[in-house]
Amino acid sequence: NAGVTQTPKFQVLKTGQSMTLQCAQDMNHNSMYWYRQDPGMGLRLIYYSASEGTTDKGEVPNGYNVSRLNKREFSLRLESAAPSQTSVYFCASSEPDGTGVQPQHFGDGTRLSIL
Amino acid sequence: AQSVAQPEDQVNVAEGNPLTVKCTYSVSGNPYLFWYVQYPNRGLQFLLKYITGDNLVKGSYGFEAEFNKSQTSFHLKKPSALVSDSALYFCAVRFKAAGNKLTFGGGTRVLVKP
Repeated sequence: NAGVTQTPKFQVLKTGQSMTLQCAQDMNHNSMYWYRQDPGMGLRLIYYSASEGTTDKGEVPNGYNVSRLNKREFSLRLESAAPSQTSVYFCASSEPDGTGVQPQHFGDGTRLSIL
Repeated sequence: AQSVAQPEDQVNVAEGNPLTVKCTYSVSGNPYLFWYVQYPNRGLQFLLKYITGDNLVKGSYGFEAEFNKSQTSFHLKKPSALVSDSALYFCAVRFKAAGNKLTFGGGTRVLVKP
């Protein structure tokens, strides 16, 4: 009963380093999302993938890239990390329910610090 | 542009007392509204949603929320708070034109004291 799994849980990077955050879901959901959470700002959407093979920018995409590797996996890459990208990153997935409006299911997050 | 606001950064309540967490939104259409809860070092968990119909929505763990279209509000309520309800609560709104993208409020920390 894993749901949405994110790896790693914690990471410390130096400015300029690159890193890929991994996300996998086992609920056969079509849609997947990456958010960042900063104090007092709620969650802000970085990128999302409505279905396998498609990705779109969210509210704060600058400095990030994504790959929808297959239906299960959606990765987030920081090519050149900056201190402003210090945050907690959440992956989520969703699928239509009976109402057609889908709650999102979240992983437990990756806590990323950039020095 | 769609937006959602949670006017209180923190709500303190004594165990057994009623709990209310406020949420207001700006709208250019018919919104779908959600409440999520976050416990320490965990991801968000879905509590309830309003799509259409009855303005009072019941959700998980004894929570309910009331949709008020005239006041553009969707306040979360629980008649009798528990210490275990202490957590971070997020209101979120989705508009049809935005697909399934959610806009989240800034969050309200709830502290229930014994």
